[in-house]
Amino acid sequence: DIQMTQSPSSLSASVGDRVTITCRASQSINSYLNWYQQKPGKAPKVLIFAASSLQSGVPSRFSGSGSGTDFTLTINSLQAEDFATYYCQQSYSTPRTFGQGTKVEIK
Amino acid sequence: QVQLVQSGAEVKKPGDSVKVSCKTSGYTFTSNYIHWVRQAPGQGLEWMGIINSSGGNTDYAQKFQGRVTMTRVTSTSTVYMELSSLRSEDTAVYYCVREERGPQHYFDYWGQGTLVTVSS
Repeated sequence: DIQMTQSPSSLSASVGDRVTITCRASQSINSYLNWYQQKPGKAPKVLIFAASSLQSGVPSRFSGSGSGTDFTLTINSLQAEDFATYYCQQSYSTPRTFGQGTKVEIK
Repeated sequence: QVQLVQSGAEVKKPGDSVKVSCKTSGYTFTSNYIHWVRQAPGQGLEWMGIINSSGGNTDYAQKFQGRVTMTRVTSTSTVYMELSSLRSEDTAVYYCVREERGPQHYFDYWGQGTLVTVSS
């Protein structure tokens, strides 16, 4: 199974900050890396797919980069509605493993 | 619009089985695979398995092999997930999720989730 390791597990930031979350795969997954946002009591929603493609309707302050084993999700100018938990997930093979999540909290 | 509507919350006893349904609409049912993902209280996301909505073939996470069964009924565009021999650790929200049809295989639509509580 491919293990996905996210860091940090949590962070505190202020509105307007730039936030970076990293995700590392235990083996190469090319660009089969997706990012999801989950708010309390809600189902996750996709933000970025194929490592760097922005899902329709997602604000452009979200961006993704990376390939192979190392990936990054960046949120430019953090907004109040961005406080949530973020998960990376590989779609290279089954089982479709997720990172453990990064909780972005208000400083 | 694409929708995945799941059945309601369940309370079960240890050793019971639970069957959660996921009724889909707004797209051609047989065109997309459906996955099941669960989330224990305060925990992360855990992939359980996938079903091919067209052929019905499945692939389950090793952790659930022998306890989970995923089926579909094409005439009603509904997918089912049954989990047997329930234990307290199976208390979680269970989501059905659609996989996008293209080459990237990401999860583009999620059901609202079904809370399954296992308690004696």
